[in-house]
Amino acid sequence: NAGVTQTPKFRILKIGQSMTLQCAQDMNHNYMYWYRQDPGMGLKLIYYSVGAGITDKGEVPNGYNVSRSTTEDFPLRLELAAPSQTSVYFCASSQKDSHPQFFGPGTRLTVL
Amino acid sequence: KQEVTQIPAALSVPEGENLVLNCSFTDSAIYNLQWFRQDPGKGLTSLLLIQSSQREQTSGRLNASLDKSSGRSTLYIAASQPGDSATYLCAVGPQETSGSRLTFGEGTQLTVNP
Repeated sequence: NAGVTQTPKFRILKIGQSMTLQCAQDMNHNYMYWYRQDPGMGLKLIYYSVGAGITDKGEVPNGYNVSRSTTEDFPLRLELAAPSQTSVYFCASSQKDSHPQFFGPGTRLTVL
Repeated sequence: KQEVTQIPAALSVPEGENLVLNCSFTDSAIYNLQWFRQDPGKGLTSLLLIQSSQREQTSGRLNASLDKSSGRSTLYIAASQPGDSATYLCAVGPQETSGSRLTFGEGTQLTVNP
């Protein structure tokens, strides 16, 4: 099993550009999550999904969009990149809400 | 709003020492609490998960305890090794979402010196 995979590993965007961060898991987990981690800080939840077709906002959803058309994939979309979105983005998944979350390796995004 | 605090922010110990990392949270209405390890430039690895009805969990040299009433959890690492050097994060899951919306602390950066 590859677990949770994320692409790309690194990306530099200009202000106003858009991009999609990809996340996939092969563990047949129902729950998937997107977090951002700013330097020296803990993680903050952006969006999460409890199953295909169902998504909900986390603590910091502004400036982001998600979709969940399949169990395996949970892409995160940035429409108009801003410097405040410079961060490391982590995707995670879990079998149930009460189970441990498995994390991907992260995407380091810089917006200039 | 739930707030999670971890003390100390950084800790440096000699190899072989037993140590305790602390985590406190402001809202005791939690569903569960998890401890994670994060290596530099990497994602998080789940170490221990304690359900709200439990008092502690153990895995190898790691023992995590939970005191909901006082809003505290500790992670005890026995006989520390240089390979334990990493950042340790605790996260709490609220009751209303059955634990899915984790709130993280800022982490304790641990260095174990040979």
